[in-house]
Amino acid sequence: DVKVTQSSRYLVKRTGEKVFLECVQDMDHENMFWYRQDPGLGLRLIYFSYDVKMKEKGDIPEGYSVSREKKERFSLILESASTNQTSMYLCASSGPGQGANYGYTFGSGTRLTVV
Amino acid sequence: AQSVTQLDSHVSVSEGTPVLLRCNYSSSYSPSLFWYVQHPNKGLQLLLKYTSAATLVKGINGFEAEFKKSETSFHLTKPSAHMSDAAEYFCVVRGQAAGNKLTFGGGTRVLVKP
Repeated sequence: DVKVTQSSRYLVKRTGEKVFLECVQDMDHENMFWYRQDPGLGLRLIYFSYDVKMKEKGDIPEGYSVSREKKERFSLILESASTNQTSMYLCASSGPGQGANYGYTFGSGTRLTVV
Repeated sequence: AQSVTQLDSHVSVSEGTPVLLRCNYSSSYSPSLFWYVQHPNKGLQLLLKYTSAATLVKGINGFEAEFKKSETSFHLTKPSAHMSDAAEYFCVVRGQAAGNKLTFGGGTRVLVKP
């Protein structure tokens, strides 16, 4: 099975800190995604990447940046954390094509609290 | 551009009765559609997917969904709810452009009463 691993389950950071959320997948998937999940809003796409060193803005990129130096790793960076970035962050990966086995696998999430 | 609207934020059913979760989508392309489930404090799990094959899609745990292009809908149903179905459900549309990004609906929280 594909595994998507997020390095931390819970994080507490202070306002203004630079925060790194790490995500690693083990199935050589091209596409990787960062979402945040908030009650009543579902999951909203922050950034995604379809190749090494490639990145695309999602629907809510403000206040975030990403890094993809290696295919298996996709990092989300909060340049200066703010309280409105308190949320659950989910990483996902997917492979190419339209085949029946085109699956999306999510990590278990990182619950970030900014105080 | 693509979007998903889940018409009910909360659904309450009695155990053994049918479940209906409604989803409407908008997509510039021929869409791929998914339903995901998230149990409390658990990760997202794929229930089923539609990728332009049969319009009636069967998933895990007795769920199924029907793609209706004329209505731009992809409603999720189950004939008989079980207590273990209590969870949050997300309808998702996938884009056709590079990256194949997913767009999620706001979620429907299902409560199952004994």
